[in-house]
Amino acid sequence: DTEVTQTPKHLVMGMTNKKSLKCEQHMGHRAMYWYKQKAKKPPELMFVYSYEKLSINESVPSRFSPECPNSSLLNLHLHALQPEDSALYLCASSPLTSDVGNTQYFGPGTRLTVL
Amino acid sequence: AQTVTQSQPEMSVQEAETVTLSCTYDTSESDYYLFWYKQPPSRQMILVIRQEAYKQQNATENRFSVNFQKAAKSFSLKISDSQLGDAAMYFCAYRSPASGTYKYIFGTGTRLKVLA
Repeated sequence: DTEVTQTPKHLVMGMTNKKSLKCEQHMGHRAMYWYKQKAKKPPELMFVYSYEKLSINESVPSRFSPECPNSSLLNLHLHALQPEDSALYLCASSPLTSDVGNTQYFGPGTRLTVL
Repeated sequence: AQTVTQSQPEMSVQEAETVTLSCTYDTSESDYYLFWYKQPPSRQMILVIRQEAYKQQNATENRFSVNFQKAAKSFSLKISDSQLGDAAMYFCAYRSPASGTYKYIFGTGTRLKVLA
C-alpha cells in the first residue's frame, strides 16, 4: 500500500478564516512533507518532519503552522492567508532508510483558494 | 548546489508511438538518486521510475525506461507504446543521499500530450 490521503480535496477560505489541511499515511514512513504547488510549476518544499519532529522549515510565513501529532498524521494549520497563497498543497511521505532512495509518495493534494 | 533542467516545456506523441523526455542535472556528488514523477490533471504526483546513481543498469518499469548517462549527467525517460493515460506533466527530480537531506530538487517539468 503506497497511499497517502489528504483532506479536504478543495478548500475555499477568506483571509480571516482559520482552517486545517490533513494528511495521513499508513506505510510506516517516518518522514512527512508539505509542498506548495502553483499551476504549471514544480512543487516547492515547505516543511519536513522526521520522527515527528520538524526538521526543515523553508522560511515559510508563520500564517502556515505545521503539526505532526503522530507518525501517521500531518496537519497544516492555516490562518490569515493571502490570495497569493492559493495553490495546490501536496503532502508526501517517505521512509528514512536509504535503500530505496527515500522515495517520496505523494497524496492527491488539497486545492486551496483564498478569497 | 545541485540543479535539474528539463529543456522541453511541452512534447507531443502519437498514441502507440515512443517518446523521450530529457532531463539533465548538475552535481558534484558521486552517489545520488534520480526520479521521474508523473502528474496527470487529477493532480497526484505518481512515481514513474527511480534510478540509483551507483547502478549502471538503466531502470525499467513496464513501458517506461530511462537512459542514465552518469558522465553526461543525463537522465532521460522513454515511454514506449504511448497511451492516452500517459498525458500528464512529468517532473524529473534529484535527491542527495547525504544524511539529513530529504529535499528533492525538481526540474521545471515537461507537459506530455498524447494524440489519438
